[in-house]
Amino acid sequence: GQQLNQSPQSMFIQEGEDVSMNCTSSSIFNTWLWYKQDPGEGPVLLIALYKAGELTSNGRLTAQFGITRKDSFLNISASIPSDVGIYFCAGHWYDMRFGAGTRLTVKP
Amino acid sequence: DTGVSQDPRHKITKRGQNVTFRCDPISEHNRLYWYRQTLGQGPEFLTYFQNEAQLEKSRLLSDRFSAERPKGSFSTLEIQRTEQGDSAMYLCASSLGDRGIHEQFFGPGTRLTVL
Repeated sequence: GQQLNQSPQSMFIQEGEDVSMNCTSSSIFNTWLWYKQDPGEGPVLLIALYKAGELTSNGRLTAQFGITRKDSFLNISASIPSDVGIYFCAGHWYDMRFGAGTRLTVKP
Repeated sequence: DTGVSQDPRHKITKRGQNVTFRCDPISEHNRLYWYRQTLGQGPEFLTYFQNEAQLEKSRLLSDRFSAERPKGSFSTLEIQRTEQGDSAMYLCASSLGDRGIHEQFFGPGTRLTVL
């Protein structure tokens, strides 16, 4: 089963607002990744993090690898309608484990 | 398009029938993974290959499931005697397999519906 706790489960925000979501685990990971999935499609890789404390940006997205190696967060700044989708965190040790996802809805 | 491709995109079958899905990874990627995803959940690991060798299988992969990657390129996932509980999205992903690099790139998935 899933070992990652991802929160919140869903978010309803206004266009232009910033978004923050996070993922925690009881286990340590050597890699954290964040994916976005649109309905009926496979997940698309957004950001990969390899070092504890690492802060990485990809456009309006920023993600951090927690110091304890047991957590990560993803921020989206100035949200736009196309940010709608489900965001998954994933942690890698011997294999890849995924969170249950955060469903983001952006109101124009 | 040089991404991961999967075929078919959708499959509807009757309980008890066998189904086979195909995955073509990104050409230079050595590792290929199969996942299953049900509604409201993240992908769950099933199995992975390093070139043609199947290195790990999840407990989720019952005896009715078999995966192959005969030439280290494309892979097939077969489900025998399908059950309604097998209904899910089956995702394939590939990665370079270089040590310490764990970025996996996913295909569009095959959605299986067992009636």
